[in-house]
Amino acid sequence: NAGVTQTPKFQVLKTGQSMTLQCAQDMNHEYMSWYRQDPGMGLRLIHYSVGAGITDQGEVPNGYNVSRSTTEDFPLRLLSAAPSQTSVYFCASSLGRSLYPSYEQYFGPGTRLTVT
Amino acid sequence: QKEVEQDPGPLSVPEGAIVSLNCTYSNSAFQYFMWYRQYSRKGPELLMYTYSSGNKEDGRFTAQVDKSSKYISLFIRDSQPSDSATYLCAMAPSGGSYDKVIFGPGTSLSVIP
Repeated sequence: NAGVTQTPKFQVLKTGQSMTLQCAQDMNHEYMSWYRQDPGMGLRLIHYSVGAGITDQGEVPNGYNVSRSTTEDFPLRLLSAAPSQTSVYFCASSLGRSLYPSYEQYFGPGTRLTVT
Repeated sequence: QKEVEQDPGPLSVPEGAIVSLNCTYSNSAFQYFMWYRQYSRKGPELLMYTYSSGNKEDGRFTAQVDKSSKYISLFIRDSQPSDSATYLCAMAPSGGSYDKVIFGPGTSLSVIP
């Protein structure tokens, strides 16, 4: 199993550009999420999904969009990049609600994004 | 007051030392407590997962939860240079709401050979 994979590893964007961060998992996990990690702030939830076709907002959703058309993939779209979105982005997956409890999350390697 | 607080460090210890990493929290609804290890430029990986109060041991690692004090700890015995990483605590209430998981900011640990 590859686990959780993310592409790209690094990205530099100019203000106003858009892009999609890719995330895929091969563990048949129901739950997937996107976090951003900033110094001193901990991991903050951007968006999450409890299954294909179902998404919801986390703590810091503004400026980001998600969709979940398959169990495996959960892309994160930056609509119009801003310098405040400079961060490290992690995708994570978890077995999901069908087995309780299971808060154990598996993280991808991250995407380092710089917006100039 | 932040929901979860963690001393950012850096914490520097000699190889073989016992390390104590701690988090405090304010939400008494938290029932599930996790510790993640994050190596530089990598994603977090789950180390320990505990429910409610008490201790849990896994090799050199012991997780301790004191719900009355709203305080959790991770102890590392016989620390090794390979333990050098940032350690994140995380916690969640019961009910299966994954969006309610809160992470601490992490403590940076260096184990010096």
